[in-house]
Order: sequence, then C-alpha cells, then structure tokens
Amino acid sequence: QQPVQSPQAVILREGEDAVINCSSSKALYSVHWYRQKHGEAPVFLMILLKGGEQKGHDKISASFNEKKQQSSLYLTASQLSYSGTYFCGTEGEGGSEKLVFGKGTKLTVNP
Amino acid sequence: NAGVMQNPRHLVRRRGQEARLRCSPMKGHSHVYWYRQLPEEGLKFMVYLQKENIIDESGMPKERFSAEFPKEGPSILRIQQVVRGDSAAYFCASSPNRGREQYFGPGTRLTVT
Repeated sequence: QQPVQSPQAVILREGEDAVINCSSSKALYSVHWYRQKHGEAPVFLMILLKGGEQKGHDKISASFNEKKQQSSLYLTASQLSYSGTYFCGTEGEGGSEKLVFGKGTKLTVNP
Repeated sequence: NAGVMQNPRHLVRRRGQEARLRCSPMKGHSHVYWYRQLPEEGLKFMVYLQKENIIDESGMPKERFSAEFPKEGPSILRIQQVVRGDSAAYFCASSPNRGREQYFGPGTRLTVT
C-alpha cells in the first residue's frame, strides 16, 4: 500500500517554513525521507524507526508517530537549495526492507 | 568512498532488443535494491538482492525481467525483448545492512524506440 503524501506541491519564499506529511494505512516499522532534484538521484535525508523518535539535522527535522502511522518532515527557514521533490518511503512492520515510496511532494523555494 | 555507480547512464534500445543495466554498490554494502521511476512519478520497488541471493522480487514483472548480484562484480538488471512501456529511469540503491538507509546511484535512463 503506497503511502499518501501531502501536500502534492508547495511554493515558498526563501526563509519560510514547510511541513510535508506522509501517511500509511498499515503499521510501519520505519519511514525514510529522500529529496530528489530534477534529473538526479534521490538523496537520503533521514530514517526514523518506530518508537516515536524525532530526528533532524541543520534546519530539516522529522517525526514519526507509529500509532497514527504517519511521519512529518519539517523544513524551517527554507533555502533555495531545498527545492526538489521529497519522497517518503515506508517499511512495513515486519521489517521487510522493501520500501514503498509515496508519489512525492514538489517543493519550490523562490528568492 | 565512491558512491553507488550505475552504467550506462543512458541506454537506447529498439523494441525486441535486450537491455542490461549495471550497478556497483558502495564499498562495504552487500544489499542492493532496484527501482523504476516514470516521469513525474515516485519510485517503484522492483527487487532486493544480497550477494548471490534474491531476497524479494515482488515488484518485478514475471516475464522478461531478471536480476542478479553475483559474488564478484556488479548487480545486473536484465530486460529481454524490451517494449516501449519499459522506457523509464532505473535506479539502484545500496545499503550496509537490512533496514538501513539506502544510497542511490545516478540512474540509467532507458529509452525504447
């Protein structure tokens, strides 16, 4: 079951904040976040394991609520380099290692 | 430490030909995953391999597609008798262990004419 990402697209001005959500209809073991720029490979951002942990580096952080089977990615004080499509990949509770990716959220940061 | 390498980066094949896509994982990574991506869409899981073993091929079409990860050498995704619908970007990713972060290669863009 493919996770649902929202919003599908968001446009920001440099310095603004954004939240991207990822929801699944099944119990999750982990959530992975990636950013992909046009024509390039996805780049790993962070992985969250069940246990309700929160992670972050620089001005990008994420949370994972295993009870609600959802994760949120927080981008604060966005920079131009944050532009791209953000994908969440979910791994089922059995820890199958197979990631099922959402359709992506396209983020555009303008000057 | 070199990243995940894929070749060729671009591949053009006529309908009915075979396509061979290669992936060399990061040093120390023994887990390889292949994904397919259509324009403006997400990544679709195809197959997960460990050295010499196919762990999960649930995303792989039953016909014409095969994958291997031999003891020596890169992982190979092979598509026989390609059709126009096979045109896509094919990414491989590697991981140091089960359930860990996956690092993606630059992808192979396959065009079937």
